[in-house]
Amino acid sequence: AQSVTQLGSHVSVSEGALVLLRCNYSSSVPPYLFWYVQYPNQGLQLLLKYTSAATLVKGINGFEAEFKKSETSFHLTKPSAHMSDAAEYFCAVSESATGANNLFFGTGTRLTVIP
Amino acid sequence: KAGVTQTPRYLIKTRGQQVTLSCSPISGHRSVSWYQQTPGQGLQFLFEYFSETQRNKGNFPGRFSGRQFSNSRSEMNVSTLELGDSALYLCASSLVGVNTGELFFGEGSRLTVL
Repeated sequence: AQSVTQLGSHVSVSEGALVLLRCNYSSSVPPYLFWYVQYPNQGLQLLLKYTSAATLVKGINGFEAEFKKSETSFHLTKPSAHMSDAAEYFCAVSESATGANNLFFGTGTRLTVIP
Repeated sequence: KAGVTQTPRYLIKTRGQQVTLSCSPISGHRSVSWYQQTPGQGLQFLFEYFSETQRNKGNFPGRFSGRQFSNSRSEMNVSTLELGDSALYLCASSLVGVNTGELFFGEGSRLTVL
């Protein structure tokens, strides 16, 4: 069974500070891992994905995430927060190599950026 | 390239009624997935359609159903609405096989059940 745990439903950072959003996963098979972002009144947008290639994945808007198998983690980081980063972020997992598109999402982390 | 289009964006129904939501995927995308988003349960997978066939199904009662047409457009239907069905229903389209899990979401249909 697959699942995702996001630690911290709300995270606040100052503008220019490091952003760290935590995600731990559980999967019985090699996982595909994703981070999606949702801005108010919008759908979700893919930030980045891990599909068993490089363990450090770079995404859009300066975000990156590192896959650590030993820690079953896929934390999202950004060196310097911008006001436009304020949104809700979702970590998700799916089974690899099945072609299936049913993702299991975490409960989300709402990021607030303080000016 | 047009994105995923969902209609209607907002709707209000009463308990016991039924509702049909529509989703037009990105041109060339043949897989359409539906998710329910609520504050309490978060994002939950409803079902996925590919080539007019339901390929995967989440853990929802039979009141929730869907279909996909030959042009890849999809509809989902909820019958005998309950208060707990109030949610944002998100549709996502994707290519199949190449980018597993890379979903392109619409803005959603917000359903309120009174």
